Amino acid sequence: DAGVIQSPRHEVTEMGQEVTLRCKPISGHNSLFWYRQTMMRGLELLIYFNNNVPIDDSGMPEDRFSAKMPNASFSTLKIQPSEPRDSAVYFCASMSWDTRTDTQYFGPGTRLTVL
Amino acid sequence: KQEVTQIPAALSVPEGENLVLNCSFTDSAIYNLQWFRQDPGKGLTSLLLIQSSQREQTSGRLNASLDKSSGRSTLYIAASQPGDSATYLCAAGTSYDKVIFGPGTSLSVIP
Repeated sequence: DAGVIQSPRHEVTEMGQEVTLRCKPISGHNSLFWYRQTMMRGLELLIYFNNNVPIDDSGMPEDRFSAKMPNASFSTLKIQPSEPRDSAVYFCASMSWDTRTDTQYFGPGTRLTVL
Repeated sequence: KQEVTQIPAALSVPEGENLVLNCSFTDSAIYNLQWFRQDPGKGLTSLLLIQSSQREQTSGRLNASLDKSSGRSTLYIAASQPGDSATYLCAAGTSYDKVIFGPGTSLSVIP
C-alpha cells in the first residue's frame, strides 16, 4: 500500500482565498483524522471520522474550517476564507477500527502558507 | 482535560550514548500511550504502543515504559546512532482512536 496520500504537499495562497487540502487514507482503514501542527501549539486534532461520519469536530478552530468525507477513500479539509494564522502543516492520518491496532498512520502533510 | 508534556524539549548527545526521553500526562485514565518519531518535513511514524494494562514495550534498541499512577512514560534509546536524530512525540490515548500529543523532544545524535 502507498500509505496515506495527501495533496498538495505545499500550498502558498493569499489571505482571503479558499484552500482545499486532500487526503486518501490507507485502503481498508475506516477512521480518518485531520491534524494541524504549529510551533506554538504543537500537533492538534481538528476532526476525525469513523466510517465516513464525523465523530468529533471540537478541534475545528472556527466556521472558516470545514471537512468532508464523501466516501471511504477520500477526504477534504477546506478553509474559506484563509488567514495568515492558518499557516501550518496539516496532517491526515488513518486507522483500522476493525483490527483495533490502535495505531494511526500519518501522511506526509501539507505545508500551508497564507500570505 | 488531558495534557501531555515532554522533557527535555531538545537533547544533543554523542553517538553511542544511552538516553532517556520523558513524557508526563495529567489524567491517568488513559487507553494507551504511544511514542512516535517525526523526521523533518515528514509525517509521524509509530514506534511503540503500550496498552493501559501493560508496563513496557520493547523494539530493538527502544524500550518504552508506562507508570499510570504517576502519569509518566519514558522512552529509552540504547546505543544511539546519528540515524536516531528526529523529533520524538508521545501521545496519550483517551480512547482507542483519539490521542493527545505532547510537544515533542528534538533529538540530535552527533557522530
